Amino acid sequence: GAVVSQHPSRVICKSGTSVKIECRSLDFQATTMFWYRQFPKKSLMLMATSNEGSKATYEQGVEKDKFLINHASLTLSTLTVTSAHPEDSSFYICSAQTPGQGVNQPQHFGDGTRLSIL
Amino acid sequence: AQSVAQPEDQVNVAEGNPLTVKCTYSVSGNPYLFWYVQYPNRGLQFLLKYITGDNLVKGSYGFEAEFNKSQTSFHLKKPSALVSDSALYFCAVRDGGKLIFGQGTELSVKP
Repeated sequence: GAVVSQHPSRVICKSGTSVKIECRSLDFQATTMFWYRQFPKKSLMLMATSNEGSKATYEQGVEKDKFLINHASLTLSTLTVTSAHPEDSSFYICSAQTPGQGVNQPQHFGDGTRLSIL
Repeated sequence: AQSVAQPEDQVNVAEGNPLTVKCTYSVSGNPYLFWYVQYPNRGLQFLLKYITGDNLVKGSYGFEAEFNKSQTSFHLKKPSALVSDSALYFCAVRDGGKLIFGQGTELSVKP
């Protein structure tokens, strides 16, 4: 149980393109999802917390107009990197919080999206 | 603010030997601690958690972790390492609704 699917797994596109990444909880409803960015062999940097039916909460230093997050249903959150540039190239990972018991529950992660901007 | 530290960037172990991946924490209040593993080009997989109760926590794939309050540590252990255990390991602490991750430790198990 608690499977999170992330799509696409890899995307290569030209500078200036907008890219949408989807994160789905397949067998549970997730009121909260998280978006992370990871540089090679480095830790995960939390970008934002996505809440179903409300605006995302962005971490300090993350441009909300650059990284658009939509969490329109209990099983889907999307991250759109708008007008992507080479410095946006990275590994983006989403996670979803299983419901119930709050802090006692682990987050479950998608397999990540490797974004390469040429 | 809650934080965790993983003092070793890399740990090298021979197959069949015991392994330890270190983690120390700094929290206000009760710590909620987690270990995750990441294989190349994949997301993170949950291994185990400490919320309360027994200091020795058993998790997936034969891993366990020992919570030590006096040393503020939560080291990950396994009695006999496998080559397939080679991966990047992250310790994490809950901070409100968020997870705060350590820097990660790359575990290399050689045959």
